[in-house]
Amino acid sequence: KAGVTQTPRYLIKTRGQQVTLSCSPISGHRSVSWYQQTPGQGLQFLFEYFSETQRNKGNFPGRFSGRQFSNSRSEMNVSTLELGDSALYLCASSLIRGPEGETQYFGPGTRLLVL
Amino acid sequence: AQSVTQLGSHVSVSEGALVLLRCNYSSSVPPYLFWYVQYPNQGLQLLLKYTTGATLVKGINGFEAEFKKSETSFHLTKPSAHMSDAAEYFCAVTLLPGGYNKLIFGAGTRLAVHP
Repeated sequence: KAGVTQTPRYLIKTRGQQVTLSCSPISGHRSVSWYQQTPGQGLQFLFEYFSETQRNKGNFPGRFSGRQFSNSRSEMNVSTLELGDSALYLCASSLIRGPEGETQYFGPGTRLLVL
Repeated sequence: AQSVTQLGSHVSVSEGALVLLRCNYSSSVPPYLFWYVQYPNQGLQLLLKYTTGATLVKGINGFEAEFKKSETSFHLTKPSAHMSDAAEYFCAVTLLPGGYNKLIFGAGTRLAVHP
């Protein structure tokens, strides 16, 4: 079974631009979560989607948004990019059988550099 | 605020020596607990997890961890380190109820293994 895939793997943008990152979960997984990893702040939760609904959100500004499609694929968007948005963005998927606590499987990440 | 503390940002051991990576959490309700490993330029790979049941959990690559509620700890151990264990290790929790796959990560511990 194929793992979580993320596209693109690398991205360079300039301040003020917007960016869209894509995540395809493992087949059959219905929950997708997004995380930001930076040297200074570590791994931080952005949001989680299940059946096209955002169920949980981290402490990030409104410039960070996401969505999930009916096939469980997910996208996250960052508008008006700032230098501090440079990070590795990780997507994780899980097979939801109960309300929570399932193992999350991570993709390789998208490395975003904002100049 | 709920948090995860990993004692020691860097740990160095000799090949064949015991590996001990420490993790403590703060939560009024015992959470679900996870250990992930990250190799350079890669995503996160699950080593092991604790949800309910037996408090000694065995994972991949010879790692194990013990959940100690009284100490709010979930330390990761491996009897004999191998060069291939050099990586960054993250302890994480999902808070209950309502965690909805929101992983809260510790700051990480970088493990170096020397000959």
